Amino acid sequence: NAGVTQTPKFQVLKTGQSMTLQCAQDMNHEYMSWYRQDPGMGLRLIHYSVGAGITDQGEVPNGYNVSRSTTEDFPLRLLSAAPSQTSVYFCASRPVYGTGELFFGEGSRLTVL
Amino acid sequence: GQSLEQPSEVTAVEGAIVQINCTYQTSGFYGLSWYQQHDGGAPTFLSYNALDGLEETGRFSSFLSRSDSYGYLLLQELQMKDSASYFCAVRVGSTDSWGKFQFGAGTQVVVTP
Repeated sequence: NAGVTQTPKFQVLKTGQSMTLQCAQDMNHEYMSWYRQDPGMGLRLIHYSVGAGITDQGEVPNGYNVSRSTTEDFPLRLLSAAPSQTSVYFCASRPVYGTGELFFGEGSRLTVL
Repeated sequence: GQSLEQPSEVTAVEGAIVQINCTYQTSGFYGLSWYQQHDGGAPTFLSYNALDGLEETGRFSSFLSRSDSYGYLLLQELQMKDSASYFCAVRVGSTDSWGKFQFGAGTQVVVTP
């Protein structure tokens, strides 16, 4: 039972570098989303998608890019990393006719120096 | 925009009952979810209320009043393993099938012997 898989689990970047956080789910969920979690601020929605080819912005989209070419994958791209993007990133998914349950990956801890 | 308010910390002894309140201001409200997160882990789903009333799942219960924009999570018979952060999250959107989830800042529950 893989569920939602995120890679890498840990990453250190220098300011200005770019990278992609990978998220894959094997539950055939239409809805996928990315959150960042900073101390004392809960989870903030970055981008989400309701199906292949459809994405939309969340609360804090600046500095991040997403695309959804398949149902399974929803990568998050940092175009030019900044120290303010140091955070723990969570990918979450749910089926379109599900209830309030989001299925989360284990998280990716990113440090930008 | 959306806003959710919940207490930052609650402390209680083993065996006690704890209630975590969540008030929200939002448009396009579909439901209120609750998640538990242990240090270093991913959020895990506890409950979801789309309609007014109480939902019970073992030692945990969740309540929603849509007219008051208010809900709570009730933790009964507290155990040491219940020490964690608890997040309320609103599901908001323009259609019933989709919607996005926005989280509160979280309540740290500390259980003491």
